[in-house]
Amino acid sequence: DVKVTQSSRYLVKRTGEKVFLECVQDMDHENMFWYRQDPGLGLRLIYFSYDVKMKEKGDIPEGYSVSREKKERFSLILESASTNQTSMYLCASRGAGLGTETQYFGPGTRLLVL
Amino acid sequence: QQQVKQSPQSLIVQKGGISIINCAYENTAFDYFPWYQQFPGKGPALLIAIRPDVSEKKEGRFTISFNKSAKQFSLHIMDSQPGDSATYFCAAGNRGSTLGRLYFGRGTQLTVWP
Repeated sequence: DVKVTQSSRYLVKRTGEKVFLECVQDMDHENMFWYRQDPGLGLRLIYFSYDVKMKEKGDIPEGYSVSREKKERFSLILESASTNQTSMYLCASRGAGLGTETQYFGPGTRLLVL
Repeated sequence: QQQVKQSPQSLIVQKGGISIINCAYENTAFDYFPWYQQFPGKGPALLIAIRPDVSEKKEGRFTISFNKSAKQFSLHIMDSQPGDSATYFCAAGNRGSTLGRLYFGRGTQLTVWP
């Protein structure tokens, strides 16, 4: 079974802190994604990566950056956390090419910024 | 611009009834239409998916109906059960894209009363 793990289930941070959210997948997937989930807004794509050191902006990249130094690991960075970044953050991965369209999600990290 | 529009936002169905969730998309290049199911405290997981070369796909009590000319697709849950209570997301994507992203609807919270 594909496993996508996220470093924390719950996180509480102060405004202005630098926050790192880590995601690791064990299926040698090329593509990895970071979403945030808010009630009524669904899943919004922040950033994604299709290869090591490669990244693409999603629909809401402002205030976030990402890092992918190894194929299995994709990190989301909040450079200076703000209260409007309080949310559920979901990581996902999938393979490249036809027949590998399924995205596999981690359990999520619920971030509270005070 | 929202690429995939989903309705209703919430749905309450009696046990044994039919649950219907609708989605519409804009981009005619989309050729992959999955539905994801998310239980509280978990990440979304693929439920069922369809390609535009067929008008219907059925897996157990879950059926996707697809109308290419109207650019709409829907999820039907027959004989709905309390265990089906979850949030459902429709999505659309391009299978041939190396970037591999999906465009998600905003989600439907389904509650099935016993």
